[in-house]
Amino acid sequence: GDSVTQMEGPVTLSEEAFLTINCTYTATGYPSLFWYVQYPGEGLQLLLKATKADDKGSNKGFEATYRKETTSFHLEKGSVQVSDSAVYFCALLNDYKLSFGAGTTVTVRA
Amino acid sequence: GAGVSQSPSNKVTEKGKDVELRCDPISGHTALYWYRQSLGQGLEFLIYFQGNSAPDKSGLPSDRFSAERTGGSVSTLTIQRTQQEDSAVYLCASSTLWGGGAGELFFGEGSRLTVL
Repeated sequence: GDSVTQMEGPVTLSEEAFLTINCTYTATGYPSLFWYVQYPGEGLQLLLKATKADDKGSNKGFEATYRKETTSFHLEKGSVQVSDSAVYFCALLNDYKLSFGAGTTVTVRA
Repeated sequence: GAGVSQSPSNKVTEKGKDVELRCDPISGHTALYWYRQSLGQGLEFLIYFQGNSAPDKSGLPSDRFSAERTGGSVSTLTIQRTQQEDSAVYLCASSTLWGGGAGELFFGEGSRLTVL
């Protein structure tokens, strides 16, 4: 079955540091890939997505590129802020089913 | 409202009791999902509805769990004879599965269930 593996946290960074969260997947066919974010006290929300190989999703300074050859969708941000502290989930959509990774908790310190 | 609404937001129950969790999706969203989020774990898929039918119930952990959806709108997740391992946050999400919005799930804030 489909599965998503993302780097374990927690990750603690200083403001303006570079953030990478690794995500790899296993799937049949051609899934779409997503990053969802859960800010403290809030519900899950879509951060960015990519629907085919080599697509780059971007939002709020975050980027991720769909790499079919390495089955990866790593999330990056060049300069994080305290407000980026959240739990980040990598996910893939195959047919109708959205499968999530375990989530990575990111804390950004001022 | 504009978003996915879930109730109750918190539920504390005794082991062995039945509980019902409700989800009111975004109007017009034909797809509805239930997920479970346990402490320190990711999101576990429970069930998916397209309209009122559930083509995939494979994630329901046991026959104590059931779900229904009526009128292509509201859904209820029922847990019978609750056990302590059922304690978790139960998340509902709705979506359109086609077009530009495909794959974007809109989540409710969840129902936190605690079984004593």
